[in-house]
Amino acid sequence: GQQLNQSPQSMFIQEGEDVSMNCTSSSIFNTWLWYKQDPGEGPVLLIALYKAGELTSNGRLTAQFGITRKDSFLNISASIPSDVGIYFCAGFTNTGNQFYFGTGTSLTVIP
Amino acid sequence: DTAVSQTPKYLVTQMGNDKSIKCEQNLGHDTMYWYKQDSKKFLKIMFSYNNKELIINETVPNRFSPKSPDKAHLNLHINSLELGDSAVYFCASSQEGFNEQFFGPGTRLTVL
Repeated sequence: GQQLNQSPQSMFIQEGEDVSMNCTSSSIFNTWLWYKQDPGEGPVLLIALYKAGELTSNGRLTAQFGITRKDSFLNISASIPSDVGIYFCAGFTNTGNQFYFGTGTSLTVIP
Repeated sequence: DTAVSQTPKYLVTQMGNDKSIKCEQNLGHDTMYWYKQDSKKFLKIMFSYNNKELIINETVPNRFSPKSPDKAHLNLHINSLELGDSAVYFCASSQEGFNEQFFGPGTRLTVL
């Protein structure tokens, strides 16, 4: 089945650094979503993207819907300790009404 | 107020038993979902359901069945539990379609 591959798989960064992660697929998606999951909690929606090339910000987070519609990117600026968690991309395609989560990027912020 | 709630938070049971996990959403959403998250944190959709249609992920064993008594609830029933069913199960809801889903806190199921 379809798989959304996220990279990197894990990141260890110093507080204050910027973070970049991406999500790629082998096929086109109509919607890209980015979620964050804290330990012991369910994923929480961060940003939703609906159009190729779209760039959307939510505070220190910025995400982009790739031009090819096969990828998406998430950037976090000036990381803080509470940014720790697992970040998931998710994609929806109208073709067959399919929805998939990515493999996740685990972020650790060192104070 | 909790938007999407699940009970129980933890469920420990023996192989072969039948169990249920309850989910309620107070967001007035039309569509609800069940996901399974394995030990490697992979999230896989199991079901999506609105009042018109139940969509089942073909890889889900038929021992799993969703039941919706009303629009605000989608419970997950599991028959003849197996060791491999141990995972965290998340309920979610959205206004329409797969976009912008809100997730519950999860139920950690352990099968012994």
